[in-house]
Amino acid sequence: AQSVTQPDIHITVSEGASLELRCNYSYGATPYLFWYVQSPGQGLQLLLKYFSGDTLVQGIKGFEAEFKRSQSSFNLRKPSVHWSDAAEYFCAVGSTDSWGKLQFGAGTQVVVTP
Amino acid sequence: NAGVTQTPKFQVLKTGQSMTLQCAQDMNHEYMSWYRQDPGMGLRLIHYSVGAGITDQGEVPNGYNVSRSTTEDFPLRLLSAAPSQTSVYFCASRRTAIREQYFGPGTRLTVT
Repeated sequence: AQSVTQPDIHITVSEGASLELRCNYSYGATPYLFWYVQSPGQGLQLLLKYFSGDTLVQGIKGFEAEFKRSQSSFNLRKPSVHWSDAAEYFCAVGSTDSWGKLQFGAGTQVVVTP
Repeated sequence: NAGVTQTPKFQVLKTGQSMTLQCAQDMNHEYMSWYRQDPGMGLRLIHYSVGAGITDQGEVPNGYNVSRSTTEDFPLRLLSAAPSQTSVYFCASRRTAIREQYFGPGTRLTVT
């Protein structure tokens, strides 16, 4: 069965520290992957995406993610977090044979402390 | 472009009432979909459409109906609302040839 797992429900990080959010997937077909961010009461904003090619992808707001096929992972990183990065982050997976239907992880809530 | 728009932004219903959540996009996207978001469960696909006149069920379709008479609009109907349908609903769209989906701002629905 296809699945997307974000193991960390909640992460607290100090402002200026590094952040890594984990995402693992189980997909039969060749996947393409996304990270979205949702600020409180807002919609979803695309941070970055991976379709093919270079496995390290750069996104907006200083985020990057690395696709590791051998580990079925697509972890999101930021070297130095800002208070404005406090939000909920979702990993999503789709495939070319699924009409673009996305499967989302449960989300990781990030809290940034001063 | 306005992108993906959703109305209303908030709605409170009583059990058994019906309503339609509106979704429109002005990007000429073929693919449109509805998701619901519940705490700890991420977003789950309700229904989707690959073009006008074509719809199909997603992961959690029960209690919801859709139709797609135009490329621009994809309304979601609740025929008899239940408390279990209390959620935040997101509409999304994309071009068939492009994998990135664009999301609307969401509708927060409470069923009492």
